[in-house]
Amino acid sequence: DVKVTQSSRYLVKRTGEKVFLECVQDMDHENMFWYRQDPGLGLRLIYFSYDVKMKEKGDIPEGYSVSREKKERFSLILESASTNQTSMYLCASSPSRGAQYFGPGTRLTVL
Amino acid sequence: LAKTTQPISMDSYEGQEVNITCSHNNIATNDYITWYQQFPSQGPRFIIQGYKTKVTNEVASLFIPADRKSSTLSLPRVSLSDTAVYYCLVGDFGSGNTGKLIFGQGTTLQVKP
Repeated sequence: DVKVTQSSRYLVKRTGEKVFLECVQDMDHENMFWYRQDPGLGLRLIYFSYDVKMKEKGDIPEGYSVSREKKERFSLILESASTNQTSMYLCASSPSRGAQYFGPGTRLTVL
Repeated sequence: LAKTTQPISMDSYEGQEVNITCSHNNIATNDYITWYQQFPSQGPRFIIQGYKTKVTNEVASLFIPADRKSSTLSLPRVSLSDTAVYYCLVGDFGSGNTGKLIFGQGTTLQVKP
């Protein structure tokens, strides 16, 4: 079974803090993704990566950056958290051409 | 970009077959169609993926007409535990592809006893 894990299920941070969300997959997948999910807006792609050290912007990259130093790990960074970044963050991975497998999600609250 | 359109919600009863249609008029040649199921406070779960014609697995069937401008997810004999949000995703996930991935708004399926 594919396993995608995220570092935290729930996280509370203060405005202006730097936040790291970690994602690890154990299936040697080439592609990894970060989404956020908000009520009424569905899933929106923030960034994705198709190889180590490679990244591409998704639909809503503003306020976020990513890092992929190893194939199995994809980090999402909020350089200076803001209240409008309160959301559910979902990580996913996929083989080069195939379905995405999602992690359990991190519910981030920025106060 | 292949934008998708799905019904916002559907109701059904236990034991019925449910068909959810997704419209994707601008689908590109290399795009695949994937459906996911999501329960509250959980990540989406892969259901089925296809490129053309019909695909079937132990959970569902996916029907794709020749023009590929739409697709239909078919859930046979639904139960209460199938109550969830269903997402249609269209995209090319090939290595090195820089195309953006599009999730539809999702269809909330309510199965009643």
